[in-house]
Amino acid sequence: AQSVTQLDSQVPVFEEAPVELRCNYSSSVSVYLFWYVQYPNQGLQLLLKYLSGSTLVKGINGFEAEFNKSQTSFHLRKPSVHISDTAEYFCAVSEPSSASKIIFGSGTRLSIRP
Amino acid sequence: NAGVTQTPKFQVLKTGQSMTLQCAQDMNHNSMYWYRQDPGMGLRLIYYSASEGTTDKGEVPNGYNVSRLNKREFSLRLESAAPSQTSVYFCASSEAPAPGANVLTFGAGSRLTVL
Repeated sequence: AQSVTQLDSQVPVFEEAPVELRCNYSSSVSVYLFWYVQYPNQGLQLLLKYLSGSTLVKGINGFEAEFNKSQTSFHLRKPSVHISDTAEYFCAVSEPSSASKIIFGSGTRLSIRP
Repeated sequence: NAGVTQTPKFQVLKTGQSMTLQCAQDMNHNSMYWYRQDPGMGLRLIYYSASEGTTDKGEVPNGYNVSRLNKREFSLRLESAAPSQTSVYFCASSEAPAPGANVLTFGAGSRLTVL
């Protein structure tokens, strides 16, 4: 069964600094990978997704993620963060064989310091 | 553009009471989901429905039941609420641009407190 590990529960960074949020997954088959963002008191919304093809995926708000099959990772990066990026970020995985079952990680809270 | 609508937004129950969380989507999505969100544990899948007429257990189904009433609606029922079910519940629906590649659209959440 697939699982997702987000290694950092909280990541504090200064405004305009780069950030990387880590995500590792466990699966015995090929996977689809997602990052979702949750702003305070809201539901989750899709940031980006990897289905196939290029391992570097670009999403909304300047975020990107790289799929690394050998390291079973899908880390999220942004070269320069803004106060508005303050949110909780969730990595998620699904398998083509379990077409509709989507499993989330425990989340990483990104806090931006001015 | 309603998307996914959940009701109620807030609810306080006493231990042993029952209640139903309602969810409706207007995007003609086939799949619908119920998750719970607890601090430090992320989102955990309770039940999902891949298509109208089918439901499947997720990671934490105990204490819950679901009904896929039609393509639009997917309800979650707590038959005998327990304090451990205090949580924020999210309903979601999905489109699948490729088999298995489900992109979720979430509702705003329902905050449930069980005393």
